[in-house]
Amino acid sequence: RKEVEQDPGPFNVPEGATVAFNCTYSNSASQSFFWYRQDCRKEPKLLMSVYSSGNEDGRFTAQLNRASQYISLLIRDSKLSDSATYLCVAAYNDYKLSFGAGTTVTVRA
Amino acid sequence: DAGVTQSPTHLIKTRGQQVTLRCSPKSGHDTVSWYQQALGQGPQFIFQYYEEEERQRGNFPDRFSGHQFPNYSSELNVNALLLGDSALYLCATRYFRDNSPLHFGNGTRLTVT
Repeated sequence: RKEVEQDPGPFNVPEGATVAFNCTYSNSASQSFFWYRQDCRKEPKLLMSVYSSGNEDGRFTAQLNRASQYISLLIRDSKLSDSATYLCVAAYNDYKLSFGAGTTVTVRA
Repeated sequence: DAGVTQSPTHLIKTRGQQVTLRCSPKSGHDTVSWYQQALGQGPQFIFQYYEEEERQRGNFPDRFSGHQFPNYSSELNVNALLLGDSALYLCATRYFRDNSPLHFGNGTRLTVT
């Protein structure tokens, strides 16, 4: 079983729509959680950390449910520039990040 | 302020050959981790170096080895290349003593034929 599992999508949404997706993690000892964004053939870039109380960064909202071991990401008012693959990450420590395979989001005009 | 730099950007090797990939950390970073990302997959942790020693290792065979130099730069070596080693190899760095997230380099795309 993979440590982090994500729905690969793709999620195809129109501009301005809201899109949300989850991932699940198997290691209950995971301490830190993140969402990274990866554009085609580029390196992953940190989108946001995920905190137990939930957190927002502009149009992006992340939630963590430790009891059910899942993490969610919601994107409001989608922009064309939001088209990317979103990688869910659970970390047992600060150095070994366990990545999901990614969820592909395509925002269409 | 230069970010994480990796070289080369692309590389083509033949099965059985050996390859060395290089990484220079972002300024102020002293810890280097290497990840392998196969097509359609998320990055997989290979190992992490701090103070010139391998500190943690993922589930990769001994054919994968590394080194960290006194200036914090790092090399990833892969021996006896297999077709399955074809992937994007990512270097990620951070400063050991703070909680900032990892910064990734642009990666080296390795193709084994």
